[in-house]
Amino acid sequence: SAVISQKPSRDICQRGTSLTIQCQVDSQVTMMFWYRQQPGQSLTLIATANQGSEATYESGFVIDKFPISRPNLTFSTLTVSNMSPEDSSIYLCSVGATGRTEAFFGQGTRLTVV
Amino acid sequence: AQKVTQAQTEISVVEKEDVTLDCVYETRDTTYYLFWYKQPPSGELVFLIRRNSFDEQNEISGRYSWNFQKSTSSFNFTITASQVVDSAVYFCALSAFPNAGKSTFGDGTTLTVKP
Repeated sequence: SAVISQKPSRDICQRGTSLTIQCQVDSQVTMMFWYRQQPGQSLTLIATANQGSEATYESGFVIDKFPISRPNLTFSTLTVSNMSPEDSSIYLCSVGATGRTEAFFGQGTRLTVV
Repeated sequence: AQKVTQAQTEISVVEKEDVTLDCVYETRDTTYYLFWYKQPPSGELVFLIRRNSFDEQNEISGRYSWNFQKSTSSFNFTITASQVVDSAVYFCALSAFPNAGKSTFGDGTTLTVKP
């Protein structure tokens, strides 16, 4: 199984600022994904982080608000830009590999925007 | 488009009772994965089980069992002799082959087990 480390585990941020969340995997993986879980809600896929190319965003999410980097096969970052209280959520990184059936999640980053 | 429905928003049981969490899904894919995850109050997502669409064999793991019925597009989860530590939010999820990490989640069922 893959071990996924997310940093920070939690943060409290001022509105209007940006926060970058890191996701580190202990092995090379083909696919990395970012999810958001708003308070009391389910998980919603933000985007697929593609290595060597721009991320693929789901409907309702845009690159200007959630820029994503994927410099290699073990690391990705998600930035939450120009934050507002509505961005207060848990953000989770997930990994998978083409043809493999496992799906693993990081422990999540609990973000509070004040 | 994929959709996962967990009709039970909240369930409350007394310890040692059996409880079944329902999951109904919709997909046009012929090959897909189904998952159950547990999310305790601490927030991390704990993987419980994955089932391939071509494998309808039911599974039992300790007090947990899963019933997959492709004919009714359901993947129900039963906890036998529930315990207080089972209290959590449980999510059912669906993903298309081969990207197991790209999932559509149900809204979750909050299970409270009272002593």
